[in-house]
Amino acid sequence: QSALTQPASVSGSPGQSITISCTGTISDVGAYNFVSWYQHHPGKAPKLMIYDVNKRPSGVSNRFSGSKSGNTASLTISGLQAEDEADYYCSSYTTFNTRGVLFGGGTRLTVL
Amino acid sequence: EVQLVQSGAEVKKSGESLKISCKGSGYTFSNYFIGWVRQKPGKGLEWMGVIYPGDSDTRYSPSFQGQATISADKSINTAYLQWSSLQISDTAMYYCARPVSPMAIRGAFDIWGQGTMVTVSS
Repeated sequence: QSALTQPASVSGSPGQSITISCTGTISDVGAYNFVSWYQHHPGKAPKLMIYDVNKRPSGVSNRFSGSKSGNTASLTISGLQAEDEADYYCSSYTTFNTRGVLFGGGTRLTVL
Repeated sequence: EVQLVQSGAEVKKSGESLKISCKGSGYTFSNYFIGWVRQKPGKGLEWMGVIYPGDSDTRYSPSFQGQATISADKSINTAYLQWSSLQISDTAMYYCARPVSPMAIRGAFDIWGQGTMVTVSS
């Protein structure tokens, strides 16, 4: 069971917008609106930024938004800030082989 | 405050056994799945499996089935991850996490433990 596919790295300048893609299959991303995105700073626990494709937990900036089309989900960060520099992971519910969760390989965001 | 507190870092030898813990507080522990996530040094997050403390329903990622055992004791609001014979390749940070919704796994974990670093040497 392969991980969801994310670009290894993206970068942007402060104030710009960036988008991170997350490609799965008809058994996971394409089948359910249960895609989540996590921000992970080294040495800290991952933080949930988006769930159920486009919902933001309380306290998460509205600069973060999510969407999905077919088997590909996307995370967009607008108005990039230095503190956004981190690793970002997508995840999806899956029923392939088990009723569980798949993570993407992670994307390193660099704020130039 | 809803939180998960994990046991401390461990340094073990290959072949030894180990059980790490994750204690929940501030919510009804039995009503939410607890998931375990591994992160090897320099690598990404990997979902290992989940347990529903209410009835001990446990599900494993195919990649981790048979590699480690997930359990829970709802009487003390604690979930566990254990190995009977550690391998050097088990060296990693292990996180426990609670999903957003009770009685459901959707991949959305909003409460995370601080992580337990497990180091296995030969």
